[in-house]
Amino acid sequence: GAVVSQHPSWVICKSGTSVKIECRSLDFQATTMFWYRQFPKQSLMLMATSNEGSKATYEQGVEKDKFLINHASLTLSTLTVTSAHPEDSSFYICSARRQGGDQPQHFGDGTRLSIL
Amino acid sequence: QKEVEQDPGPLSVPEGAIVSLNCTYSNSAFQYFMWYRQYSRKGPELLMYTYSSGNKEDGRFTAQVDKSSKYISLFIRDSQPSDSATYLCAMSASSNYKLTFGKGTLLTVNP
Repeated sequence: GAVVSQHPSWVICKSGTSVKIECRSLDFQATTMFWYRQFPKQSLMLMATSNEGSKATYEQGVEKDKFLINHASLTLSTLTVTSAHPEDSSFYICSARRQGGDQPQHFGDGTRLSIL
Repeated sequence: QKEVEQDPGPLSVPEGAIVSLNCTYSNSAFQYFMWYRQYSRKGPELLMYTYSSGNKEDGRFTAQVDKSSKYISLFIRDSQPSDSATYLCAMSASSNYKLTFGKGTLLTVNP
């Protein structure tokens, strides 16, 4: 199997707070993890690519200081939304790719973030 | 022209029907082709993963890739109500592993 766990699944918080989302590969090691954002009835938009032990690569238009990514181990990456505001409300999904060879991405179940 | 085109539907079929889902693309560098199924408020689930052209079958699902036409398909045989979901095609070039997604097709299988 290739199970990716994402936590929390749903979070509601006040404007100005920071929120951390965890992404774990449960039964495999992932050298690369990806963070996506999805708006209602739209496809996934890649935010950043996270490689274990190195800085994340952000897509154009994504604020690095706003969306902090840490990939400290082969099974865990975190996304922290700093000083969140209502416009940051969205569905955030991570994926992980097993190390070695040509491997597909496996996705977590997403985190629904609502900023009041 | 978008890199990946996918008809968003919605597509509604009776239970037991054969479903055909398609994507076209413009980037000839794409080598890896995937189909994901996404239920509402859930993450995408990998259904099929193929490299280059050809067919791949897994149970009721068949994926086809025609690189000469830049066209990929997913066929679902004996469709079930539990197949009701959004189906996303995705593809990537061999030189990196960033995925480019289609917009997704919303499928409803009616009992």
